[in-house]
Amino acid sequence: GENVEQHPSTLSVQEGDSAVIKCTYSDSASNYFPWYKQELGKRPQLIIDIRSNVGEKKDQRIAVTLNKTAKHFSLHITETQPEDSAVYFCAAGGYQKVTFGTGTKLQVIP
Amino acid sequence: GAVVSQHPSWVICKSGTSVKIECRSLDFQATTMFWYRQFPKQSLMLMATSNEGSKATYEQGVEKDKFLINHASLTLSTLTVTSAHPEDSSFYICSATGKTTSGELFFGEGSRLTVL
Repeated sequence: GENVEQHPSTLSVQEGDSAVIKCTYSDSASNYFPWYKQELGKRPQLIIDIRSNVGEKKDQRIAVTLNKTAKHFSLHITETQPEDSAVYFCAAGGYQKVTFGTGTKLQVIP
Repeated sequence: GAVVSQHPSWVICKSGTSVKIECRSLDFQATTMFWYRQFPKQSLMLMATSNEGSKATYEQGVEKDKFLINHASLTLSTLTVTSAHPEDSSFYICSATGKTTSGELFFGEGSRLTVL
C-alpha cells in the first residue's frame, strides 16, 4: 500500500515569513495529492490539492508543487498569519481514497 | 462545499458496552464513506471503506467484528464500537464522497469516544 512521510513534524515561523512542508510517497500509481488543515479538535479541511498531470498549483498564499519522478510534493504558505497556525496533513492516493502523512504542527508567531 | 455531519460529537461509555456513531451526508449522495481513527497528535488512520449497499472493506489490523460498519443508504453510514474497552478511546472521524463531489473528501466533525 501507499506510505506517506511528512516533514517537519513541527514548524515555527514568524508572522509574514514563508512555511514549507514536504511529503514523499511510495506508490507510483498515486495520482491525487490533497493537503488538509486541521485545527485542534476539529475536522480536517481541504486547503489545496493537485493531480498528477500538474506540476504546480497556486491559490492566493498557498501553493503546492509535485515532482512525480522523485515522488515528492510540497506545500508552500507565503506571508503567514497567526490564523494559519494548525496541523497540516498531506495525503496521497487515488481520486477518492488517500493515505495521510503524519502531520505538521505549524505555529505562526505574531 | 458539501456538508457531512457526524453524531455524537463526544460520548462516554462504560467498558463492555457498545457505542454507535453516525455519519450523514446532508446535501449530496455519498456513494463512499471512510472511517478513520485519530489518536492525540497523530495522523488519521483509515479503518475501513464503506460503499453504499455493500460490505465495508477493512484495513489490515482493524477487527471487523469489533468495529461494525453499516452503509445502508446514500446519506448514512454508522460505526458501532462493540464491547468497548479503554484502549478504544479515540477520536473517530468519517469522510464522504460521491459522484457530485469531484472526488473531494468531506469530513464529519468527528466523535470523541472515552471508554471508562
